[in-house]
Amino acid sequence: KAGVTQTPRYLIKTRGQQVTLSCSPISGHRSVSWYQQTPGQGLQFLFEYFSETQRNKGNFPGRFSGRQFSNSRSEMNVSTLELGDSALYLCASSPPGLAGSSEQFFGPGTRLTVL
Amino acid sequence: SQQGEEDPQALSIQEGENATMNCSYKTSINNLQWYRQNSGRGLVHLILIRSNEREKHSGRLRVTLDTSKKSSSLLITASRAADTASYFCATVSPNTGGFKTIFGAGTRLFVKA
Repeated sequence: KAGVTQTPRYLIKTRGQQVTLSCSPISGHRSVSWYQQTPGQGLQFLFEYFSETQRNKGNFPGRFSGRQFSNSRSEMNVSTLELGDSALYLCASSPPGLAGSSEQFFGPGTRLTVL
Repeated sequence: SQQGEEDPQALSIQEGENATMNCSYKTSINNLQWYRQNSGRGLVHLILIRSNEREKHSGRLRVTLDTSKKSSSLLITASRAADTASYFCATVSPNTGGFKTIFGAGTRLFVKA
């Protein structure tokens, strides 16, 4: 089975712009979660989608949004980029099963740099 | 705020030695998981231990969980240079709408050949 894929792998944007990141989960996985990783804040949960519905949300401003499509692929969008949004954005998918009981499979991440 | 607090923040050992990393958390959990991350890349799941389990093994890995102390430890035996990476604990807890996963700050392990 192919692993979790994320595109693009690297992205450079300027302040004020917006960006869309894409994640394709492992085939058969319906839960997709997004995380932001920075040296200062570590790994922080952004949101989780399951069957096209946002099931959980972290403590991020409304500039961060996401969605999931019927094929379980997910996108996250960040509008009005700030310097502090520079980070590694990780996507993870989970296999079907009892919610909260499964491991997560992570993609390689998208490295976003905001200038 | 992060649920899992890990120590040490960094650990440097010789190849062949054992490495122990600890994780403490604050609230009740459904399960606790350990992940490894090689520099700037995605995380790899290592092991999951449920709240009703006390110990689990997987190859050279041994994880313990003490829910009364709200702590867990990861032991890597006979370490290898390839074990050099950051290790994170992640707690999974009930939350409105389902479960939430919170990662600790991680322990950076360096294994010298």
